[in-house]
Amino acid sequence: GNSVTQMEGPVTLSEEAFLTINCTYTATGYPSLFWYVQYPGEGLQLLLKATKADDKGSNKGFEATYRKETTSFHLEKGSVQVSDSAVYFCALSPARGDKIIFGKGTRLHILP
Amino acid sequence: GAVVSQHPSRVICKSGTSVKIECRSLDFQATTMFWYRQFPKQSLMLMATSNEGSKATYEQGVEKDKFLINHASLTLSTLTVTSAHPEDSSFYICSARDGQGPDTQYFGPGTRLTVL
Repeated sequence: GNSVTQMEGPVTLSEEAFLTINCTYTATGYPSLFWYVQYPGEGLQLLLKATKADDKGSNKGFEATYRKETTSFHLEKGSVQVSDSAVYFCALSPARGDKIIFGKGTRLHILP
Repeated sequence: GAVVSQHPSRVICKSGTSVKIECRSLDFQATTMFWYRQFPKQSLMLMATSNEGSKATYEQGVEKDKFLINHASLTLSTLTVTSAHPEDSSFYICSARDGQGPDTQYFGPGTRLTVL
């Protein structure tokens, strides 16, 4: 079946530190991959996505590369800010327009 | 960007009553809407997929008679929690897919349901 596994949180970093949140997936076929972010008290927002192997999604300084050989889609940011504190969800969609399957989420705390 | 609203944002009800939650796409037509449930500090669990004008498709383990979904128009889907019990207390989130746009799902802000 289809599933997403991401690193357990919470993750606590100092401002300007390098961030990696690991995500691996299991899927049949060629899924689309996503990272969603949920800021405190707000709804889910799409952060970035990639629809095929070797694609790199990027937004707001965050990046993730679709690695089919390792079935991974790790989220990275070179220098985090306090405002990046949120819960990050890795997700996949088995096919275009299909439902989205989420990982459990990783809570990120950035200390000033 | 595309906006999805939910109403109400919070609702408290007594056990045994029914609660209706609305999900609207404000500036696009949503041929498909999805309903999720999120438990505290956990991920979103897909409950059902709703296509305009047809019956919803429920995920395994979700009681369709308890969670009634209606998608009567291209901009509105409703979730009714019937005979609510405390274990139904949760955060309910809808998303809508823009059928004409870049095929992205847009999420509503969620509805916090508390059943006393």
